[in-house]
Amino acid sequence: GNSVTQMEGPVTLSEEAFLTINCTYTATGYPSLFWYVQYPGEGLQLLLKATKADDKGSNKGFEATYRKETTSFHLEKGSVQVSDSAVYFCALGKAAGNKLTFGGGTRVLVKP
Amino acid sequence: GAGVSQSPSNKVTEKGKDVELRCDPISGHTALYWYRQRLGQGLEFLIYFQGNSAPDKSGLPSDRFSAERTGESVSTLTIQRTQQEDSAVYLCASSWSGTGSSEAFFGQGTRLTVV
Repeated sequence: GNSVTQMEGPVTLSEEAFLTINCTYTATGYPSLFWYVQYPGEGLQLLLKATKADDKGSNKGFEATYRKETTSFHLEKGSVQVSDSAVYFCALGKAAGNKLTFGGGTRVLVKP
Repeated sequence: GAGVSQSPSNKVTEKGKDVELRCDPISGHTALYWYRQRLGQGLEFLIYFQGNSAPDKSGLPSDRFSAERTGESVSTLTIQRTQQEDSAVYLCASSWSGTGSSEAFFGQGTRLTVV
């Protein structure tokens, strides 16, 4: 079946540091890949997505590239801010499937 | 409405009681999901509705859990004879289609506490 594995947190870093959150997946065919973010006290919201191999999703300074050869969709940001403190979820959606499969989430804490 | 609406936002119930959680999806969204998120944990898929197709119930943890949706409107998740391990945030999401390539919009969740 489909599965998503992402690095466990918490990840603690200083403001302006570089952030990488690893995400790998297992799926047949060509799934779409997503990163969702959950800010403290808020609901989940889509951060970025990529629907085919080599696509790069980007939003709010975050980027992730769909790598089919390594079945990965790592999230990166070059210079984090305190406001980026949140839980980040990697997710997979099959084009012909019927539900999103989420990773376990990675809590990120950015200290000033 | 403007977004996915869930009610109640918080629910405290005694062990053994039944609870009903409600989700109002975004108008026109054909797909609707229920997920469970235990404290500090990831998202656990419960059930999925797509239009008038038979729902995917593969994530329901026991027969105490059930959900209904009429057409493309409101969905209710019912938990019978609640147990303490049912305590969690129950999240509802909706999307335009079930293709998996469209964005899912989440509600704020219902925080269920079983005492």
